[in-house]
Amino acid sequence: EVQLVESGGGLVHRGGSLRLSCAASGFTFSTYGMSWVRQAPGKGLEWVSAINTIGVNTHYADSVRGRFTISRDNSRDTVFLQLNNLGAEDTAIYYCTGLFPGLGVFDLWGQGTMVVVSS
Amino acid sequence: VLTQSPNSLAVSLGERATINCKSSLSISYNSDNKNYLAWYQQRPGQPPKLLIYWASVRESGVPDRFIGSGSGTDFTLTISSLQPEDVAVYYCQQYSNPPTWTFGQGTKVEVK
Repeated sequence: EVQLVESGGGLVHRGGSLRLSCAASGFTFSTYGMSWVRQAPGKGLEWVSAINTIGVNTHYADSVRGRFTISRDNSRDTVFLQLNNLGAEDTAIYYCTGLFPGLGVFDLWGQGTMVVVSS
Repeated sequence: VLTQSPNSLAVSLGERATINCKSSLSISYNSDNKNYLAWYQQRPGQPPKLLIYWASVRESGVPDRFIGSGSGTDFTLTISSLQPEDVAVYYCQQYSNPPTWTFGQGTKVEVK
């Protein structure tokens, strides 16, 4: 069974940091580009960051560039998202997603991990 | 920018639901004649699920009542006969300009 399991969310003060993890199983992780998509409470979907299969190329939405860092460990089938200098606008469910090889759409989704930034 | 319409709609069971997605720029390319537009379904309390890509290709396992169409800047998702399990928010997404991806604001579908 294909699974993406996120962890690391929680309550953090404004300006604080968190590290999200996403453990993959049931598919060949090293063949998938990976991404994070977030959803603020009651709002729509926002793409946050992506990383290619070997972890060399990383990309960020303007809203998080310079504050968030995506990385991956193919030996552990895990992708990470380091969140720094968090603000209230970062409060959201963070979904780990897999990019369909060669297609560029998100065909794999985790259940999400909630990040709440308090002021 | 992707703009969906309507923001919400209520449809009777068995009736047709139609959701529109308009892009501010063309997301079709002459080089491969493909439309870089996908549709996702998000049921309450669940993560999104890929329904359709290339504007009209159903993901494996997606019922054939879900029909994607359109090209260039105007796209449509049609649910030909609404079922109770189709109550959800539907999002369009462009992937014509990787490595950035943009979603529409979502359309909530309810049963009338």
